[in-house]
Amino acid sequence: KAGVTQTPRYLIKTRGQQVTLSCSPISGHRSVSWYQQTPGQGLQFLFEYFSETQRNKGNFPGRFSGRQFSNSRSEMNVSTLELGDSALYLCASSLFGTGDLTPEAFFGQGTRLTVV
Amino acid sequence: AQTVTQSQPEMSVQEAETVTLSCTYDTSESDYYLFWYKQPPSRQMILVIRQEAYKQQNATENRFSVNFQKAAKSFSLKISDSQLGDAAMYFCAYRSATGNQFYFGTGTSLTVIP
Repeated sequence: KAGVTQTPRYLIKTRGQQVTLSCSPISGHRSVSWYQQTPGQGLQFLFEYFSETQRNKGNFPGRFSGRQFSNSRSEMNVSTLELGDSALYLCASSLFGTGDLTPEAFFGQGTRLTVV
Repeated sequence: AQTVTQSQPEMSVQEAETVTLSCTYDTSESDYYLFWYKQPPSRQMILVIRQEAYKQQNATENRFSVNFQKAAKSFSLKISDSQLGDAAMYFCAYRSATGNQFYFGTGTSLTVIP
């Protein structure tokens, strides 16, 4: 079974631009969550999508948004990029909410976003 | 809100020796899950071991075992017979039984000395 796939692996953007990151979950997983990882703040939860609906949201400004498609693939968008948005963005998929009680999440390799 | 604390930013161990990484957490919930994830330089978070709060028996996966003390809200990871490939950042994580948000500690960087 293929793992969680995130694209692209690396991105360099300029302040003020917008960016879209993509995540394809493990087949059969309908829950997709996004996390931001920085040296200063550690791993912080952005949001979770399940069956195309945002189910939970972390404490991030409205510039951070996401969506999920009918095939469970998810995209995350950051508008009006700031230098502080430079981070590793991790996507995680899980079976939570499908009736399967497997509790763990499976992570992709992340997208390294650098804002200059 | 749930918090997870890892008080050891860095640890080192000699190859073939045993090392224990510490983690404490704070929650008012009674049903939850605890995890240890490993993040090597490749950046991918890999599940090492998980523990269900309702289980009294400590989880074990090959060379990895945990010491789960529910009353003390403590969840340590023991790595036996350490190998060079164990070198990585280790994160302790908490997840409620009713929600899918993970709360992570700040991580412990483990160095394995040949």
